[in-house]
Amino acid sequence: DVVMTQSPLSLPVTLGQPASISCRSSQSLVYSDGSTYLNWFYQRPGQSPRRLIYQVSNRDSGVPDRFSGGGSGSDFTLKISRVEAEDVGVYYCMQGTHWPPTFGQGTKVEIK
Amino acid sequence: QLQLQESGPGLVKPSETLSLTCTVSGGSINSTSYYWGWIRQPPGKGLEWIGSIYYSGSTYYNPSLKSRVTISVDTSKDQFSLKLSSVTAADTAVYYCARHSIVLVPAAIFSNWFAPWGQGTLVTVSA
Repeated sequence: DVVMTQSPLSLPVTLGQPASISCRSSQSLVYSDGSTYLNWFYQRPGQSPRRLIYQVSNRDSGVPDRFSGGGSGSDFTLKISRVEAEDVGVYYCMQGTHWPPTFGQGTKVEIK
Repeated sequence: QLQLQESGPGLVKPSETLSLTCTVSGGSINSTSYYWGWIRQPPGKGLEWIGSIYYSGSTYYNPSLKSRVTISVDTSKDQFSLKLSSVTAADTAVYYCARHSIVLVPAAIFSNWFAPWGQGTLVTVSA
């Protein structure tokens, strides 16, 4: 199975400041037609995960534009341009290019 | 607005079978565009995909669990179900159901995304 490695695992941030989470895969996630199935999910404490971004950079409807996804190959990044209090929680990356789909360990974002 | 809700026993004895049902509301499970999946999260750990089913009954399972997993669908009730046999303490987890977008092309299958997710249900395996 493809191993997804996130860093950092804990990310203390200051309100209004940017934040960045890295996700690296053990194999390239690019298919021969150029498609890349890399998603980001967000889980607030006590809630179920919610899709944030799919296929590397497509934001889900209702997701604020301060969230952006990027990267290619086996190296991907989720960025929050200005962290707000409601952004606290755990962020997961997930790959779907290789079967079975696999998730990263999660990155816990908290306010300093 | 599509919603999913898991239901089933919160406590299962070791070696027995875990059974959960997911009810879909605000939409139909008879979608030709999506599969319906199960994902679990052991306490304090990450997420693991268990398997997914199409409205026709076609299934995909995680090879790591395939020998113990059965997923079925009841389109008349807009429900799909999970059975996990011979459970141990390692199967203690929050179990989520979710709509699963799968992309099929000749000679390849991709998992596009999971959305929305149910609220999840904790299943504890203990005597």
